Amino acid sequence: SQQGEEDPQALSIQEGENATMNCSYKTSINNLQWYRQNSGRGLVHLILIRSNEREKHSGRLRVTLDTSKKSSSLLITASRAADTASYFCATDAGGYQKVTFGTGTKLQVIP
Amino acid sequence: DVKVTQSSRYLVKRTGEKVFLECVQDMDHENMFWYRQDPGLGLRLIYFSYDVKMKEKGDIPEGYSVSREKKERFSLILESASTNQTSMYLCASSLSAGREQFFGPGTRLTVL
Repeated sequence: SQQGEEDPQALSIQEGENATMNCSYKTSINNLQWYRQNSGRGLVHLILIRSNEREKHSGRLRVTLDTSKKSSSLLITASRAADTASYFCATDAGGYQKVTFGTGTKLQVIP
Repeated sequence: DVKVTQSSRYLVKRTGEKVFLECVQDMDHENMFWYRQDPGLGLRLIYFSYDVKMKEKGDIPEGYSVSREKKERFSLILESASTNQTSMYLCASSLSAGREQFFGPGTRLTVL
């Protein structure tokens, strides 16, 4: 079953602008992860944020987590054409079976 | 760096054929996963394994089986391929439950 849902489904921005993607989920989680997928390839892990954390940074990425609203956002600052990809959130609700992926946000960065 | 490899990038099979998709990881990870990815549906978990010879059903196991005889290798088997199994298949591994997953490049399977 799909737990995470990303919003928007697609996003097109100019190079240099910031891109924000949101993820909403339904049940309590242990952690939330963001992944990137370039066209036709496997997913690459970007960042993991635990349920007791509110914000995390990695390079140009900033992730926030609001467990009261059951939502997370991924901000990519100063976007580049190479950031063009699909971005997925994945929620871990505990136990082996409970990591579920959303349907993704397709980001296009126009040079 | 963790490397997850999949036996084929592209595969074309006929309805009714038995299909084997193989996945190998080189970092001694406990957990391995098989997903299928379809447009608009995201990634859906087919099966996963948390130890050699152990397997658990995911969200959509019907029509699939798996085998994990060695820690590094996890095979997905389509006993009798059908056209609705045309999809991108992604294998992943992780050190333990809840940790980041490392993905292979994917196998795009077409069943005619």
